[in-house]
Amino acid sequence: SQQGEEDPQALSIQEGENATMNCSYKTSINNLQWYRQNSGRGLVHLILIRSNEREKHSGRLRVTLDTSKKSSSLLITASRAADTASYFCATAGRARQLTFGSGTQLTVLP
Amino acid sequence: DAMVIQNPRYQVTQFGKPVTLSCSQTLNHNVMYWYQQKSSQAPKLLFHYYDKDFNNEADTPDNFQSRRPNTSFCFLDIRSPGLGDAAMYLCATSRDGLQETQYFGPGTRLLVL
Repeated sequence: SQQGEEDPQALSIQEGENATMNCSYKTSINNLQWYRQNSGRGLVHLILIRSNEREKHSGRLRVTLDTSKKSSSLLITASRAADTASYFCATAGRARQLTFGSGTQLTVLP
Repeated sequence: DAMVIQNPRYQVTQFGKPVTLSCSQTLNHNVMYWYQQKSSQAPKLLFHYYDKDFNNEADTPDNFQSRRPNTSFCFLDIRSPGLGDAAMYLCATSRDGLQETQYFGPGTRLLVL
């Protein structure tokens, strides 16, 4: 069954604005990862946050994790048209597989 | 560059005609995964190999099979494709699989006529 649910399903913003996507999950995790997928392409790993971390940064990306609420958010600052893509959260438990959320389709308008 | 390669990028087959999708990796990773992704949905794990150990997901149809002849290559066989099997098929790898990052290939889009 799908572990993660993301909202919003779709987000449209102007270039230069910040974009925030949220992910909720149901069971305990070892880490949570965010991936990006350009249309018709494979997924690309963006950032991994461990269960004992609360916030992590990578360039224009900021990820937070609240294990008490079983939720995470991905913030993209100063968005660019090239950030247009689908963004998926994925949770890692004890097994070797990831469970992906439903994804957020981000459109950044020039 | 080390990477995950999938061939072909686009595959057209006929209803009921067996088809094989291939994946290769130069990362020397132990784990290889096959996902099915339909439009606007999350990738759905079909199965994975940890080295030669095959792990099937409980809800993967019997119509889908996989082979991993060596560390570098993994194949997805669809024995009798139906219209509902039209999707993007993604191959991914990870070094050891346990709570790790996965590296994805570009995917093969399968069309069933």
